[in-house]
Amino acid sequence: DTAVSQTPKYLVTQMGNDKSIKCEQNLGHDTMYWYKQDSKKFLKIMFSYNNKELIINETVPNRFSPKSPDKAHLNLHINSLELGDSAVYFCASSPRSRSQPQHFGDGTRLSIL
Amino acid sequence: AQTVTQSQPEMSVQEAETVTLSCTYDTSESDYYLFWYKQPPSRQMILVIRQEAYKQQNATENRFSVNFQKAAKSFSLKISDSQLGDAAMYFCAQWDSGYALNFGKGTSLLVTP
Repeated sequence: DTAVSQTPKYLVTQMGNDKSIKCEQNLGHDTMYWYKQDSKKFLKIMFSYNNKELIINETVPNRFSPKSPDKAHLNLHINSLELGDSAVYFCASSPRSRSQPQHFGDGTRLSIL
Repeated sequence: AQTVTQSQPEMSVQEAETVTLSCTYDTSESDYYLFWYKQPPSRQMILVIRQEAYKQQNATENRFSVNFQKAAKSFSLKISDSQLGDAAMYFCAQWDSGYALNFGKGTSLLVTP
């Protein structure tokens, strides 16, 4: 009964390919997020969705496109992968209230060859 | 932009001893929320403790407690009776005005027997 699950856990692919990472939460939360953790462990918000509506879209290349088919799912599609995209990508969810913590998935390690 | 600063990239503590991890933040809001997350080598992001700014009382969760100094914008984490399982990266985070977590760069904690 994993609260926030993302698949796959590891993704190894070549430059130029297109890949997707899926995320699902069973906590009934309204808001979902994608964070990127770089090689120095720095975590930075990429996108945030509330009830399927995009509310945060930080400065990321437009090769990254989030898709939320319903409020329990937030997928991340990446086109034309580049070496610099290698990182760990975390999905998270929370209630709308800022008083509540975010719950994170286990991360997807993306390695670009 | 709001910033969260963790000035200690690495810390070391002996088992059973106490260690304090520092965090400072910057905000113009009067009501906000602060969090400490733990990231062990397994890569999971685990909530350690949460502090609500309008509460004067420092939050405590078992061996983990915070020293929240609102005027100084300081939010340090104290770990008492350190255990080998406490070895991890620790991230201080603040809800930013855009409804996402703003993380510090993390402190790597080493626990020695």
